[in-house]
Amino acid sequence: NFVLTQPPSVSESPGKTVSISCTRSSGRIAANYVQWFQQRPGSSPTTVIYEDDQRPSGVPDRFSGSIDSSSNSASLTISGLMTEDEADYYCQSYDSNSIHWVFGGGTKLTVL
Amino acid sequence: EVQLVESGGGLVQPGGSLRLSCAASGFRFSRYGMTWVRQAPGKGLEWIAYITSVTSVTSPIYYADSVKGRFTISRDTAKNALFLQMNNVRTEDTAVYFCTRDARDTTSSMGVIHSWGHGTLVTVSS
Repeated sequence: NFVLTQPPSVSESPGKTVSISCTRSSGRIAANYVQWFQQRPGSSPTTVIYEDDQRPSGVPDRFSGSIDSSSNSASLTISGLMTEDEADYYCQSYDSNSIHWVFGGGTKLTVL
Repeated sequence: EVQLVESGGGLVQPGGSLRLSCAASGFRFSRYGMTWVRQAPGKGLEWIAYITSVTSVTSPIYYADSVKGRFTISRDTAKNALFLQMNNVRTEDTAVYFCTRDARDTTSSMGVIHSWGHGTLVTVSS
């Protein structure tokens, strides 16, 4: 199975823009869709991006997703940061060779 | 509105069994692939098992190596319910277990987690 690597933590000020990376260790990042989940303390995860760049209904357009083949990574970008965005964020993809679902280790976003 | 409500968690001794349920509503349950994901205390997310939609020709099932041979995923379309039978549990199975749904009702959506339940806590301890 490939590994998805995320930075353990990122921080930024309210109103600013932050990006969280998710790097695939082997195989093309574009080979399988990437999802992003937000998990606030004490809550279950919710999907903020699916299929690389799609936003579920109800997710503000401050959240966007993209993939970069040159770095073999996906990114979650949050603009106009709000204190309520403070949470853990996980990326997820799918290994179609081994038929396994793969999660990144998670990134703790601090909005200070 | 998609709703996934897990139940059945609790305290179980090592080597024991437990059956988790997930009640699904707000969508055509039979048409979607479903996944169990768990999260150990203070840890990240871990995929456990997947079951394809009933409409899939072959309806395969897949398991993570950590639970293969001990856990069984199943579904009852008449009851709109997903299950996880957990046998021979270990202390490392202690976690919150989440039920999730694929993004679309197509086989190409396999691997694309979209909707989440609130989770049910399983504690394995003597």
